[in-house]
Amino acid sequence: QLQLQESGSGLVKPSQTLSLTCAVSGGSISSGGYSWSWIRQPPGKGLEWIGYIYHSGSTYYNPSLKSRVTISVDRSKNQFSLKLSSVTAADTAVYYCASYFMVQGVMDYWGQGTLVTVSS
Amino acid sequence: QSALTQPASVSGSPGQSITISCTGTSSDVGSYNLVSWYQQHPGKAPKLMIYEGSKRPSGVSNRFSGSKSGNTASLTISGLQAEDEADYYCCSYAGSSTNVVFGGGTKLTVL
Repeated sequence: QLQLQESGSGLVKPSQTLSLTCAVSGGSISSGGYSWSWIRQPPGKGLEWIGYIYHSGSTYYNPSLKSRVTISVDRSKNQFSLKLSSVTAADTAVYYCASYFMVQGVMDYWGQGTLVTVSS
Repeated sequence: QSALTQPASVSGSPGQSITISCTGTSSDVGSYNLVSWYQQHPGKAPKLMIYEGSKRPSGVSNRFSGSKSGNTASLTISGLQAEDEADYYCCSYAGSSTNVVFGGGTKLTVL
């Protein structure tokens, strides 16, 4: 059973870049069929898909965030990362990483989430 | 504004059944049998409850069921229990450009 754990800075200044990492255990990040995704949830609001990276390295991003998002994979560390540039207060949210099994369109394993606050 | 439309709230008494709707378009829910439903308790990560419209992952109670008709997917919870009180989100694949869309979420209150 996969386990995912987010880590990174919990406080980011406006206009700077948010950086988070998701460590995957219980399986290989190179497993065929799986993609690795990021989802966020502003306080008191709903879920928003940010994007995912396929095991091949192909990336797919939410069109509304595409210009600011980069998702990458570090296979040697069995982890993947999120970078979101030019952040504003609107990017304050709990950020979740999740495994995404594309064939079935499901995010079946989730991290516990990490709160990122954008504030000076 | 979310891509998929859900009612903001629903409620029911213990033992009753409730249904949460998730309305999309012919570009997402209507075109793909890739609708999933997630349960989220306060302060917790979402949990997969239904996938491919009507399939239950191992360990999910058979009180949870899913269906789809046209551009609308539905989640039904029968025999409501206090532990079912949570937020529920639908999610659909939406093609290669938009990819993944969520509903705005529905708060279920067990009276």
